Amino acid sequence: EAQVTQNPRYLITVTGKKLTVTCSQNMNHEYMSWYRQDPGLGLRQIYYSMNVEVTDKGDVPEGYKVSRKEKRNFPLILESPSPNQTSLYFCASSSPRGVSYEQYFGPGTRLTVT
Amino acid sequence: KNEVEQSPQNLTAQEGEFITINCSYSVGISALHWLQQHPGGGIVSLFMLSSGKKKHGRLIATINIQEKHSSLHITASHPRDSAVYICAVQGLGANSKLTFGKGITLSVRP
Repeated sequence: EAQVTQNPRYLITVTGKKLTVTCSQNMNHEYMSWYRQDPGLGLRQIYYSMNVEVTDKGDVPEGYKVSRKEKRNFPLILESPSPNQTSLYFCASSSPRGVSYEQYFGPGTRLTVT
Repeated sequence: KNEVEQSPQNLTAQEGEFITINCSYSVGISALHWLQQHPGGGIVSLFMLSSGKKKHGRLIATINIQEKHSSLHITASHPRDSAVYICAVQGLGANSKLTFGKGITLSVRP
């Protein structure tokens, strides 16, 4: 089954404790991205990757890191989480259709930083 | 002004009603996406369109590129259609990112 998986689905942590949210897709997609979703603000892109070893900042990259060492995996790293990073996070992968990308989303990770 | 505006902000309907959700955007785009998010969070892509009209089951999506406007129609609505519907536009160029609307919360009452 074609899917994007994220782990963990729920995480409660404390300020400053490094964490990683994993994302994996089994569709051989080149394009992967991370979004955060906050009430009243909608989905905002954190980072994206066009292919292995190619990553770039989205709209709200501060406080986050990513890596793309393999095509299927795109982990999101919070080196020193802060309460303002409490949010719902989605990983997505895309398959190009010409210049358009059909989006496949992971199930989401709800992060709480206290 | 947001690049992507959705209306109405919230919508309540009775089961069986015909529902229209609108999306307006202010930039040139290569495609427009309609997404559905159920309570519990998962996001599903419903449509990706760059012109005309697409239909899938009871859902119909239309886009007018000249007017920079898209509509999502739900025919014979059902309580299981209750969800947040998100419009997103993809800019011009192969590497362009998605810009999202804030979403419309639809509640269909039995």
